[in-house]
Amino acid sequence: GAVVSQHPSRVICKSGTSVKIECRSLDFQATTMFWYRQFPKQSLMLMATSNEGSKATYEQGVEKDKFLINHASLTLSTLTVTSAHPEDSSFYICSVAGLAGDTRYEQYFGPGTRLTVT
Amino acid sequence: DAKTTQPNSMESNEEEPVHLPCNHSTISGTDYIHWYRQLPSQGPEYVIHGLTSNVNNRMASLAIAEDRKSSTLILHRATLRDAAVYYCILRDGRGAGKSTFGDGTTLTVKP
Repeated sequence: GAVVSQHPSRVICKSGTSVKIECRSLDFQATTMFWYRQFPKQSLMLMATSNEGSKATYEQGVEKDKFLINHASLTLSTLTVTSAHPEDSSFYICSVAGLAGDTRYEQYFGPGTRLTVT
Repeated sequence: DAKTTQPNSMESNEEEPVHLPCNHSTISGTDYIHWYRQLPSQGPEYVIHGLTSNVNNRMASLAIAEDRKSSTLILHRATLRDAAVYYCILRDGRGAGKSTFGDGTTLTVKP
């Protein structure tokens, strides 16, 4: 299966600053990537679908100006949390969809990034 | 998006089979049934998926009801490493194939 990495694995930032999280597909050309957020003891919540070379599609209730997604290449998508606040503290996970989102194929998930905003 | 319903938690003894149920009564004809599991502070791991027929792989088996409104993930011999949260999800057959996660089942394996 595809190998997905995320960087950083953990980040602590001050309130009001911006944080960038990278998601890389190491051995798979991903035309579609997904970004999830997970709060403690809760399930994953889909934030947005990232398409290479085009604008991301955000889920209802997710502020696109706050969570900037860039998918400039087939192997890299970035999520930037702008003007972070303590309520943005969460576990952010990206995933790669097999063959441009073809649901016949499985998703591969990154190891996640733990964001703590102080 | 079609929703899935799973029990909040289940327990199993080590080396015994485990049957994890999932209801998805509003499944559409093109939705694939996927199972993933997640350990604490890690990303989900793919387990198995299927459309209509039962599926087997090295990790588990997936039994799909004839009407596709429910499915069961079968771990043939549970080990302590199988303790995790198991998610049953339906991948949208239209568009980008995004996945909506439910609450999952927390599996505890007792030695």
